[in-house]
Amino acid sequence: EPEVTQTPSHQVTQMGQEVILRCVPISNHLYFYWYRQILGQKVEFLVSFYNNEISEKSEIFDDQFSVERPDGSNFTLKIRSTKLEDSAMYFCASMGQANTGELFFGEGSRLTVL
Amino acid sequence: GEDVEQSLFLSVREGDSSVINCTYTDSSSTYLYWYKQEPGAGLQLLTYIFSNMDMKQDQRLTVLLNKKDKHLSLRIADTQTGDSAIYFCAERSDDKIIFGKGTRLHILP
Repeated sequence: EPEVTQTPSHQVTQMGQEVILRCVPISNHLYFYWYRQILGQKVEFLVSFYNNEISEKSEIFDDQFSVERPDGSNFTLKIRSTKLEDSAMYFCASMGQANTGELFFGEGSRLTVL
Repeated sequence: GEDVEQSLFLSVREGDSSVINCTYTDSSSTYLYWYKQEPGAGLQLLTYIFSNMDMKQDQRLTVLLNKKDKHLSLRIADTQTGDSAIYFCAERSDDKIIFGKGTRLHILP
């Protein structure tokens, strides 16, 4: 069964460092998303991406964050100058067609900022 | 703005039915979802319902949608220990999906 895969599963970084989280969406999907979940809290929308550009982003997704689909298969989330409060589980998701409504999530990348 | 509300905890005896409720605010939502998250795991799509439907059944799962009241429920029949998890209600609003805080389902023996 096709699935969304994310790497790394866990990353520990020092405050101020840059982090890149990687995702391989399901191969024929067109819509891509990043969400985050701070421990014990709700799943928060960060950004959606379609047709090689950001289609929507939340207030959380400020200039510290960027997304890229560099090679047609990977979908990356870059976090510059990480802060302690960036520690969270980051989930990538993909959707095939806008009219199916089915959003499939990866297992998540846990980011710990020290 | 968009918001999804659900109760945080539910305890149910094994074999009974579980009913998890959710309210949402965006009347233009096209899809409403239920996701399951087991400890340390990702989000698993359980089922979803299109906004022009009022009920959807899938094996032990029944989703009821009341558009007038913006109320969504998930009924799990014959609840098993493997159903113990956090259940997230979510609504689709434009290009994004907004999640509730999740309901932790605890199964009593």
